[in-house]
Amino acid sequence: KAGVTQTPRYLIKTRGQQVTLSCSPISGHRSVSWYQQTPGQGLQFLFEYFSETQRNKGNFPGRFSGRQFSNSRSEMNVSTLELGDSALYLCASSKGQEARYTFGSGTRLTVV
Amino acid sequence: TQLLEQSPQFLSIQEGENLTVYCNSSSVFSSLQWYRQEPGEGPVLLVTVVTGGEVKKLKRLTFQFGDARKDSSLHITAAQPGDTGLYLCAGSKSGGSNYKLTFGKGTLLTVNP
Repeated sequence: KAGVTQTPRYLIKTRGQQVTLSCSPISGHRSVSWYQQTPGQGLQFLFEYFSETQRNKGNFPGRFSGRQFSNSRSEMNVSTLELGDSALYLCASSKGQEARYTFGSGTRLTVV
Repeated sequence: TQLLEQSPQFLSIQEGENLTVYCNSSSVFSSLQWYRQEPGEGPVLLVTVVTGGEVKKLKRLTFQFGDARKDSSLHITAAQPGDTGLYLCAGSKSGGSNYKLTFGKGTLLTVNP
């Protein structure tokens, strides 16, 4: 059974640019969550989608957005990148009715 | 505001020693999970505890959920170098704040041979 797949694994962007990250959940999982991990703040919740609907959103600025497609794959977008957006972005999937999450390996974003 | 406080933040021990990691909160959680994360990878779920006072064992790892469901501990017996990693506790709540995990900042464990 394939795990959660995140692409790309590594990304380097320049301040002011935008970026799109992708997450393919485990087959049959309809919930996808996104987290930002930094050394100073640890893992912080960005948002969660279930059946193409955003059910919960964390305390991040509007530059951070996401969406989910009908096949449960999800993307997150960060516009007008800032140096502080450099982080490991993690995606987690679950069946949606229980708090049992499987994480992907993450996308390491570096903003220069 | 960090809702889940983990201690210690760093722990370096010798192979064969025992250790305990703590996860404390002023909030009640409907469930609490422990993850281990290795460099360059995502967190891997070790256990989920849902009942106050619950104790779960996973080989040399023992997890306990506090009676009031506000705190948890992870005890490792006879630690091995393969136990090295970042240990994270994460809580989830029922109701309007569901569908997300609140993480502690983690305990970075190094087990030296």
